[in-house]
Amino acid sequence: QQPVQSPQAVILREGEDAVINCSSSKALYSVHWYRQKHGEAPVFLMILLKGGEQKGHDKISASFNEKKQQSSLYLTASQLSYSGTYFCGTPNNNAGNMLTFGGGTRLMVKP
Amino acid sequence: KAGVTQTPRYLIKTRGQQVTLSCSPISGHRSVSWYQQTPGQGLQFLFEYFSETQRNKGNFPGRFSGRQFSNSRSEMNVSTLELGDSALYLCASKQRERNTGELFFGEGSRLTVL
Repeated sequence: QQPVQSPQAVILREGEDAVINCSSSKALYSVHWYRQKHGEAPVFLMILLKGGEQKGHDKISASFNEKKQQSSLYLTASQLSYSGTYFCGTPNNNAGNMLTFGGGTRLMVKP
Repeated sequence: KAGVTQTPRYLIKTRGQQVTLSCSPISGHRSVSWYQQTPGQGLQFLFEYFSETQRNKGNFPGRFSGRQFSNSRSEMNVSTLELGDSALYLCASKQRERNTGELFFGEGSRLTVL
């Protein structure tokens, strides 16, 4: 089952913050976050493993609540370079590299 | 270190034809996954290979097939093309089999079916 991302799209001004949510109807082993800029390949941001550990990547951080089967991606003081589509991906099991991706959140940062 | 290379980058086919797409993973990576990306369905998993063995398969018809060679290069084939097969086909490689760590995506092969 595909994880559900919200919002579907968001427009920010440079310097503003945003939160992207990813929720699943099934138990999660981990949550993977990727960003894809227009016309480019998806690029890995981070993986959240069981344990609610919060990870960071520059001014982008994320949390994982395995009980609620949810993950949130936090973009702080957004930059123009943050524009793109953000995908969360969840594995079907703890083996192999198959990910089921959410529908994506389109983020546009304006000057 | 060279990234994931996919060929061809763009191709146009007509309904009923078949197509073969190629993916060269990052050197040393033994896992190769394929994804289909469309505006309507998003990123959907096709299949994954590790050491020439198919490990996982997504929910696609049998017209979609793939294989991996001993040098980890992979190909996917779509037979009897349909209009709905028009998509960006992305290949991703990874060093290990287990589901931790990042997938490295290629820039994709954009297939248009007329």
